[in-house]
Amino acid sequence: ILNVEQSPQSLHVQEGDSTNFTCSFPSSNFYALHWYRWETAKSPEALFVMTLNGDEKKKGRISATLNTKEGYSYLYIKGSQPEDSATYLCAPPRDSGNTPLVFGKGTRLSVIA
Amino acid sequence: KAGVTQTPRYLIKTRGQQVTLSCSPISGHRSVSWYQQTPGQGLQFLFEYFSETQRNKGNFPGRFSGRQFSNSRSEMNVSTLELGDSALYLCASSFSGSTYNEQFFGPGTRLTVL
Repeated sequence: ILNVEQSPQSLHVQEGDSTNFTCSFPSSNFYALHWYRWETAKSPEALFVMTLNGDEKKKGRISATLNTKEGYSYLYIKGSQPEDSATYLCAPPRDSGNTPLVFGKGTRLSVIA
Repeated sequence: KAGVTQTPRYLIKTRGQQVTLSCSPISGHRSVSWYQQTPGQGLQFLFEYFSETQRNKGNFPGRFSGRQFSNSRSEMNVSTLELGDSALYLCASSFSGSTYNEQFFGPGTRLTVL
């Protein structure tokens, strides 16, 4: 069973603060890492699919980095806004090829105006 | 492009009954995955269908089953409902279900078992 850990479990920040959280996954047999954002009462939405060690991806104020050798990925949000409030999920695939994603339990971010 | 749709959005059933949930993927997507979300458990993978065949299966009892039709629409069935089956059921579609394809999620069906 793939062990995917996300920390912290929840986070409260003030509007305008920058923040980051971590996804840890087994470094052996790495294939890819997905990040999703899940706002309350909405569907999970894909943010990034990361594949290469050292990869850095950016979408607006959100960016992510990947370290496959040590088995972690960071998600950064610069200048948090209330609309960033959501649960952020990471998910590596169970195996190579066409295999399902294994989701972490997520980091719940609340941005206080 | 229309997104993933799920019906019904809410459902209340009693123990012992069975239920069928439906998912229509994004046009052109051939892979449909189903997930269960319960408080404290996160998203748990149920199964994945591709071209009308179950390609992957999670660790759920045989009461949970599914199928996919030739138009890629998928249904999930839960028989002999138990209280613990109360959950949000999400389906997600992707072009091929590859490790590198992002998944597009539907709004979910909230099932309550009384």
